[in-house]
Amino acid sequence: QSALTQPASVSGSPGQSITISCTGTSSDVGSYNLVSWYQQHPGKAPKLMIYEVSKRPSGVSNRFSGSKSGNTASLTISGLQAEDEADYYCCSYAGSSTWVFGTGTKVTVL
Amino acid sequence: QLQLQESGPGLVKPSETLSLTCTVSGGSISSSSYYWGWIRQPPGKGLEWIGSIYYSGSTYYNPSLKSRVTISVDTSKNQFSLKLSSVTAADTAVYYCARLFWVSGRFDYWGQGTLVTVSS
Repeated sequence: QSALTQPASVSGSPGQSITISCTGTSSDVGSYNLVSWYQQHPGKAPKLMIYEVSKRPSGVSNRFSGSKSGNTASLTISGLQAEDEADYYCCSYAGSSTWVFGTGTKVTVL
Repeated sequence: QLQLQESGPGLVKPSETLSLTCTVSGGSISSSSYYWGWIRQPPGKGLEWIGSIYYSGSTYYNPSLKSRVTISVDTSKNQFSLKLSSVTAADTAVYYCARLFWVSGRFDYWGQGTLVTVSS
């Protein structure tokens, strides 16, 4: 069970859109629509932003959206804001009641 | 509002057993819809799922940690616990407990996390 692969960093200017990829295998991301995304600010616990690939929990801005194609899931943040600067992690079901997280992506707002 | 709170020693000696407890308030740990999990994060690194438990006691572990991990539940106290044996410096991390809504694959409530340092 290897960690899902994410880019180490992604940056964008305020108002722009950015996309974070999360690449797994046919045993995890590719086989299940159980991909979630978490935002983590320094020193804080992760916060659920997206679940079941593209669903947003109540209270999460609609600037956050998710998608999946094959073994790769993606998180898009549109209308980038300063408060979006944080680390982001994807997570996928990996079969046999196990879960795997991504390597994490640091988002910088320029 | 559901709340989770981790508790336990912040310092553990190498080769000993790390023990943490997560206390759930504002909801029942015996709810049939949820599992309860432990996730850790070494300083400056990413998240790692350690394992999950159902209120009935069914457990599921990360294969890479399975030989050293035990997760248990005490429904009378609304708590679940983590034991990690034979710890080394590599087990130094912030340990989080979280609620897992399994059918939708989401860890929707998290504790604040507790730093456990492995050092002599």
